[in-house]
Amino acid sequence: EIVLTQSPGTLSLSPGETATLSCRASESLASNYLAWYRQRPGQPPSLLIYGASARATGSPDRFSGDGSGTDFTLTISGLEPEDFAVYYCQHYGSSVFTFGPGTTVDIK
Amino acid sequence: QVQLKESGPGLVKPSEILSLTCTVSGVSISSYYWSWIRQSPGKGPEWIGYVDDSGATIYNPSLKSRVIISIDTSKSQISLRLTSASVTDTAMYYCASSYRSSWYGTFDFWGQGTLVAVSS
Repeated sequence: EIVLTQSPGTLSLSPGETATLSCRASESLASNYLAWYRQRPGQPPSLLIYGASARATGSPDRFSGDGSGTDFTLTISGLEPEDFAVYYCQHYGSSVFTFGPGTTVDIK
Repeated sequence: QVQLKESGPGLVKPSEILSLTCTVSGVSISSYYWSWIRQSPGKGPEWIGYVDDSGATIYNPSLKSRVIISIDTSKSQISLRLTSASVTDTAMYYCASSYRSSWYGTFDFWGQGTLVAVSS
């Protein structure tokens, strides 16, 4: 069973700053199946990035994804007010979907 | 536009069956896989399982013994039954879709969720 670990647990930043979030897998992943979601308070998660680096339809270009193997990164360049939220990475493999525990980006 | 709406009891007694329905509109039900996902307060989401329009299912191994997911294509509804409910099943339950033709193993659309508490 693949386990996803996200760091840091909480990231405190100011609007306009750049956020770098990490997702580490317990074993090497097929990059096609690594995604990132943003979840605002009281809302369901919303797909941002799929295939480790492709932006989903409607996802702003300040969001970018990178990585391969066991280490993946989500970068938010220029935080907007709506970006202060929780972010989850998610993997699909062997007919099972797995989410990480999340990183909270809050206002400093 | 894809719309998913979850419905069902907000309170379930321990040892009873947790039963929810997701009603889909705005999309061909055969174009997607339909998943149930739950999220306990302060935790990451947990995938429960999915069904396709033929009724074929895949379940999370950790819940497989207690879960049945079914589909009624005539009503555009997906159902979840979770037996032997316990307090650890208290969570927000979401219905979500995954586009079959462009498969990246992602959840492209989500319902707003329904909160279920398991308590006597």
